Amino acid sequence: DQQVKQNSPSLSVQEGRISILNCDYTNSMFDYFLWYKKYPAEGPTFLISISSIKDKNEDGRFTVFLNKSAKHLSLHIVPSQPGDSAVYFCAASAVGGSARQLTFGSGTQLTVLP
Amino acid sequence: ETGVTQSPTHLIKTRGQQVTLRCSSQSGHNTVSWYQQALGQGPQFIFQYYREEENGRGNFPPRFSGLQFPNYSSELNVNALELDDSALYLCASSAGSRETQYFGPGTRLLVL
Repeated sequence: DQQVKQNSPSLSVQEGRISILNCDYTNSMFDYFLWYKKYPAEGPTFLISISSIKDKNEDGRFTVFLNKSAKHLSLHIVPSQPGDSAVYFCAASAVGGSARQLTFGSGTQLTVLP
Repeated sequence: ETGVTQSPTHLIKTRGQQVTLRCSSQSGHNTVSWYQQALGQGPQFIFQYYREEENGRGNFPPRFSGLQFPNYSSELNVNALELDDSALYLCASSAGSRETQYFGPGTRLLVL
């Protein structure tokens, strides 16, 4: 049972345009969401996060939107740059016990074309 | 500031053997989490160590075990290796058990 889903395995976008990566979740106990970027042969790099009490968080070119009623979040990258080409993972966590365990989606390969 | 480091980068073992993977947490971080990433999938949580104690565990069998040391570095041990254990093993550190996790480059394990 996949609690975090990224339904688009890949996305291609022209340089300078907006990239929109989507993520859906099923567990209503999730209260914190993160996006990570991963290049080949490297570990995931933290990009941006959002708490469930917010619906938007911005950091430079990256904005994450959260729609709790739809159990959906999205990452917007504007403007997209060729260096943004990587696999993007959505992750979610819930308060439970003393550990904050991350549950990941399967990733979306973003390709930004020059 | 040194980030999360892992060793070795690659490892080849045969079925039934045992393996130990190592992780040094980022400076100032006292919590280490381990994840397994199979090909084409997202990372899956194995367990977390906070102040040298296991304080959370995912759906992995007991042959996956770990340690955290007083300097907050950590080991992941896997006994009786199976072919399906072939994966990228990621270590992540955080400044507390509920804080944002920062990942190392991973150890790629191949079990033949």
